[in-house]
Formats: sequence, structure tokens, C-alpha cells
Amino acid sequence: ETGVTQTPRHLVMGMTNKKSLKCEQHLGHNAMYWYKQSAKKPLELMFVYSLEERVENNSVPSRFSPECPNSSHLFLHLHTLQPEDSALYLCASSQEGSSGANVLTFGAGSRLTVL
Amino acid sequence: GQNIDQPTEMTATEGAIVQINCTYQTSGFNGLFWYQQHAGEAPTFLSYNVLDGLEEKGRFSSFLSRSKGYSYLLLKELQMKDSASYLCAVTDSNYQLIWGAGTKLIIKP
Repeated sequence: ETGVTQTPRHLVMGMTNKKSLKCEQHLGHNAMYWYKQSAKKPLELMFVYSLEERVENNSVPSRFSPECPNSSHLFLHLHTLQPEDSALYLCASSQEGSSGANVLTFGAGSRLTVL
Repeated sequence: GQNIDQPTEMTATEGAIVQINCTYQTSGFNGLFWYQQHAGEAPTFLSYNVLDGLEEKGRFSSFLSRSKGYSYLLLKELQMKDSASYLCAVTDSNYQLIWGAGTKLIIKP
């Protein structure tokens, strides 16, 4: 496996379900990110883990809970979601602190539908 | 507030040239990125500009004017595989990445 891998690629869940999205990066990067992508809207940064420390976006509802057990893995735990949470959830990684641009490498995303 | 503006959708013809514009108003500036995203796929890095001028990379070029808060992505010799969304993003003074909503480029034969 290379790059950034996200599973599942598609997820349908009811509002009372609990599910998790998984992300794994094979690039040796030291930062990982969760983004929400909705149609015709800018990418919304949800969470950042830099050197395994969480930098939280305060506008993210508590029904989204991230977990970063090590520098290669990132989870997004979902519970009691709302239909407006339906979106593409993108994971990304980067090497912070290196000279030049902080280029993000994205996974293909997990398409979430909340019924 | 911080804002990135780019056209929602553009159409161009195979073999032609297209310019996708991006204007930004941000608190400070530490670089501008362009990413390409094919439908159902991951965004991929195309270019980075931090100084004024034109950066050329094969068929793709990116231009930056910091004084005007303006960039463009120029795609030459368009191919059908260039049909995708193109995302503009700016790093502000706090090194936060501010994203535009993306421009969907449709290439017609």
C-alpha cells in the first residue's frame, strides 16, 4: 500500500448508529488531518494531529470524535449523526516542519450518507 | 473574514487553453496552492506559489500576484483527462490553509 488509504469508501448509517472511519498513511508523515467536503463548498478542516497532538477545530460538533493512536493511523468516530453530516470525509497527511510548502497528500475519501 | 473566490464551473474544448482564476482576501499570506480532484478521487497537488510570477510545469502553469491577491492556473493543450475540479488554497499568516470552493472544468471534444 502506498500513499493515504481510507476505509470504508462508502458508508450509509442511521442517525442512531455508531461507526468509524479509518485512515492510514504510508508516507512517514508527522501530521494527519480530517476534512469535510460538501458539494460546492470549500474544504472544511475538522481536526489536525501534529506530532500526535490534537489541534481541534472548536466548531466541530461532539458527535465527531477523532483518535490518533500513532503517526500512521487516524480514526473518526461517528455517533448520533444528522442528515446534514452527509458528505465526503477526506483524510490527509503532510510532513510539517520541512522546508518549503506543506503539501497535503489526500486519501480518496469516505462518502458518508446519514439517513 | 477570509475568502477565496474562484469560478464554480468552466467549459473548454480539447486541445485549447483555459485559465482558471483565483482571488483571495486573507489575513497575511504564506503561499498559494492548486490541487486537482477528479470525481470520486483524492485531491492531488499541482503547484505552489509563494513569490510573484509564473511557475511552469509541463502543460500546467500557475501565476501569482501578491499585491493583487490573485492567482491563475493555466492549462494548455487540454486533454479529456483534464476534466476535474481545481481547488485553490492560501496559507495565511497563522499557516492555516484557506480553501476555495473549487472550479469544475468540463472538457468537450
